Amino acid sequence: ETGVTQTPRHLVMGMTNKKSLKCEQHLGHNAMYWYKQSAKKPLELMFVYSLEERVENNSVPSRFSPECPNSSHLFLHLHTLQPEDSALYLCASSQRLAGGAVGSYNEQFFGPGTRLTVL
Amino acid sequence: AQSVTQPDIHITVSEGASLELRCNYSYGATPYLFWYVQSPGQGLQLLLKYFSGDTLVQGIKGFEAEFKRSQSSFNLRKPSVHWSDAAEYFCAVGPSGGGNKLTFGTGTQLKVEL
Repeated sequence: ETGVTQTPRHLVMGMTNKKSLKCEQHLGHNAMYWYKQSAKKPLELMFVYSLEERVENNSVPSRFSPECPNSSHLFLHLHTLQPEDSALYLCASSQRLAGGAVGSYNEQFFGPGTRLTVL
Repeated sequence: AQSVTQPDIHITVSEGASLELRCNYSYGATPYLFWYVQSPGQGLQLLLKYFSGDTLVQGIKGFEAEFKRSQSSFNLRKPSVHWSDAAEYFCAVGPSGGGNKLTFGTGTQLKVEL
């Protein structure tokens, strides 16, 4: 496997189910991200992990629970979701966040996403 | 707060024709600017980025973009579109202080007619 992989690619779940999305990066990166992509809305950053520590949580409801056991894997645990949570969930990875000097941006590499449908 | 506007939701061009996708941003200083492309069933791929310096930046797949500070714009261009360019294109802005927190536009869906 190369790049960033996500499983499953498609998921249909009921509102009372518990499921998990998995992301794996094969790029040697140490920062990982979860994004939500809904139709006709901008991509929304949900969570950021840097060196396996959560550094960003953008007011995401608690029914979404991220987990980063190591720098190569990222999970998004889902429970009691709502129909409006149906979306494409994208994972990305990069080298550790950088800041300060001009040009201090580390490119994010995206996975293909998991298409989630909540019934 | 920073924001990005992509005024065109859908654009259709003929293969071989030129292309310009519009992007306007709102930010207090000069931001970092990006264009990403998303093909069906794929994740986002970085086409090009602007940090500073020459306002015309070249990217992959023959794309270029021009930063115009006076218009707060960063439009994406390609002189001759290929059918394989059909995809969704996203403009994004990042803070000029660095860091990886990006704000994305809503995207422009490009259709290429043969």
